[in-house]
Amino acid sequence: GAVVSQHPSRVICKSGTSVKIECRSLDFQATTMFWYRQFPKQSLMLMATSNEGSKATYEQGVEKDKFLINHASLTLSTLTVTSAHPEDSSFYICSASPTSGRKGETQYFGPGTRLLVL
Amino acid sequence: DAKTTQPNSMESNEEEPVHLPCNHSTISGTDYIHWYRQLPSQGPEYVIHGLTSNVNNRMASLAIAEDRKSSTLILHRATLRDAAVYYCILSSDGVDSNYQLIWGAGTKLIIKP
Repeated sequence: GAVVSQHPSRVICKSGTSVKIECRSLDFQATTMFWYRQFPKQSLMLMATSNEGSKATYEQGVEKDKFLINHASLTLSTLTVTSAHPEDSSFYICSASPTSGRKGETQYFGPGTRLLVL
Repeated sequence: DAKTTQPNSMESNEEEPVHLPCNHSTISGTDYIHWYRQLPSQGPEYVIHGLTSNVNNRMASLAIAEDRKSSTLILHRATLRDAAVYYCILSSDGVDSNYQLIWGAGTKLIIKP
C-alpha cells in the first residue's frame, strides 16, 4: 500500500515552454502533498507544501508564479513549471501524506520526474 | 531548523550488519527521527521512524539515544540491494501547522560482495 505515482517520468522541453507534472496517490487519500527538487549529487530541497483545496505554501526563494501547484483532489497534485529555462532542469519529486501532515506521519514518495530544458 | 550530521559514506560487507550513525544535537522534544533511503534516479523510500523508544520493522531497527541527540539505523544483514544514500531526517514544524522533513546530505552506503 501507500503508492505514489508521478507522470511523466522524464520530459525534455524547449526553453520558454511550460511543463506539467502530475503526482497521484494510488491507494490512499493524500491530505497533504509536498514538492521537492533535487540537483545532481545534492539532497532534496522542499519547494512547497500543498493541502487539498487550498493554496500551496512555498518555501523561501521558490517563485510561486513560476512553479504553479494545484492540489484539486485528495489523490492528485500537479506542478507546472512555467516558461521553463535550462536552470530549471532538475529531478522533481513529490510526496504525499495520508493525514494532515503531522510530525510523526510518514511521507510516501513518488519515483520522480527528470526535467531537461534545452 | 533542527539539523542532522551523518558520515558522507560507509562501506560494509554483504550479509553483515550495518550501523549508520546520525547526530542531531539540536533536536526538539517533539521532533520525530525519520530515515529514508534513495537509489540513484529514484524517489526516496521510507525506512523507519521513531520518537523516543527504539523501533523495529521488517527493514531495519532504529536505536535512539536516551538524550535523543543521536540515533543509529541498523540493517541486520546487508544485501547488495541495500546500497543507497541513507538520510536521517528530523521532522520540524512548517508553515500552517504542516510538518517538514529537513533533508541533510545523507550517507552513501556501499555494500561489498
